[in-house]
Amino acid sequence: EAEVAQSPRYKITEKSQAVAFWCDPISGHATLYWYRQILGQGPELLVQFQDESVVDDSQLPKDRFSAERLKGVDSTLKIQPAELGDSAMYLCASSLTTGGSYEQYFGPGTRLTVT
Amino acid sequence: AQSVTQLDSQVPVFEEAPVELRCNYSSSVSVYLFWYVQYPNQGLQLLLKYLSGSTLVKGINGFEAEFNKSQTSFHLRKPSVHISDTAEYFCAVSGGDKIIFGKGTRLHILP
Repeated sequence: EAEVAQSPRYKITEKSQAVAFWCDPISGHATLYWYRQILGQGPELLVQFQDESVVDDSQLPKDRFSAERLKGVDSTLKIQPAELGDSAMYLCASSLTTGGSYEQYFGPGTRLTVT
Repeated sequence: AQSVTQLDSQVPVFEEAPVELRCNYSSSVSVYLFWYVQYPNQGLQLLLKYLSGSTLVKGINGFEAEFNKSQTSFHLRKPSVHISDTAEYFCAVSGGDKIIFGKGTRLHILP
């Protein structure tokens, strides 16, 4: 069964350092999402791509976060510099196309700890 | 805009007993509704979804949910829980664009 791949699974970094996460969606899925999940909370959308274009990045802290999906396939989320409050689970998901009725398939996530 | 409220942050239940996890939503447009499950240190997995049609939706692992438009609810039920159902459960709503997740309900299965 096809799955969304994410790496690394765990990352510990010191504040003010740069960190990057990678996501490979299910083959053929045009829409890719990055979510942040703080412990004890539900996922919150950071950025949504349709192919290589950003559809929604309204909740992305653009002073320190950036995301790209250059060829419309895999994607990278970067934080520079990391802050203590960035400690969370970062989840990637993909769906066939955009639209709320389409099921989103989630990867296992990257747990980030900023010290 | 849409929002979703999960009324219980934690629900303890004895093994083989029935369980109901409550979810209420608000929206000014027609909605799609979802329940996802998250096991420890894993991503979310879709349990079931309501798009249209029958208000009783059956999902995986013996779960079902009922869409109640008048009460704006989408409660999740299982007639008999197993220890393997221990997880975090998220209700989610979409008005057609992005999905908004609730804060989650942690299901504790007591032996």
